[in-house]
Amino acid sequence: QVQLQESGPGLVKPSETLSLTCTVSGGSISSNYWSWIRQPPGKGLEWIGYIHYSGSTNYNPSLKSRFTMSVDTSKSQFSLKLNSVTAADTAVYYCARQVLYGSGNFWTYYFDYWGQGTLVTVSS
Amino acid sequence: SYELTQSPSVSVSPGQTASIRCSGDKLGDEYVSWYQKKPGQSPLLVIYQNTKRPSGIPGRFSGSKSANTATLTISGTQLMDEADYFCQAYDSTIPVVFGGGTKLTVL
Repeated sequence: QVQLQESGPGLVKPSETLSLTCTVSGGSISSNYWSWIRQPPGKGLEWIGYIHYSGSTNYNPSLKSRFTMSVDTSKSQFSLKLNSVTAADTAVYYCARQVLYGSGNFWTYYFDYWGQGTLVTVSS
Repeated sequence: SYELTQSPSVSVSPGQTASIRCSGDKLGDEYVSWYQKKPGQSPLLVIYQNTKRPSGIPGRFSGSKSANTATLTISGTQLMDEADYFCQAYDSTIPVVFGGGTKLTVL
């Protein structure tokens, strides 16, 4: 059973950098894709981006390019950095395993394992 | 940008059938997944590839799709099914798109 666990500070000051890490256990990080998803209070789910174990990334183009993801396969961890945070970045941040399925021109991604989520509050 | 549209809320009586819909201009050519989200818990995948149920998801959850509308159906709805439900699909411009979510109330 794959398990994911987010870690990082719960409180970040405006304009600072948020750093979160997700530790994967019960399965190999060297397969599939690994994503970060957030949910602001009272709002819906927002996909931030994914990283492949090879290090390739894909970010949500709707978000400003303040996000950076990295992976450390030796530690079975992947990480998220968000620069210049504002109150709008206050959210529960989830890491998740992103499965790619399909063939030809018919593809999909879905998320089968999720971390418990970590609340990040941006406030001075 | 591509959007998936869901009704904000659906109400159902216990034991009845709940239908939660998700519409999008390209859904006819895409796979849809559905997630259940309860307060304080992480999202749970309940349907993937339009109709498939992950192991451990009760048989009362089913998915279907017709043209540009996907439907999550909960047959014999139970109190424990009260939650927010999000649809999700793939788009070539933004690989992952979530619907705005539907709050299912069981009363």
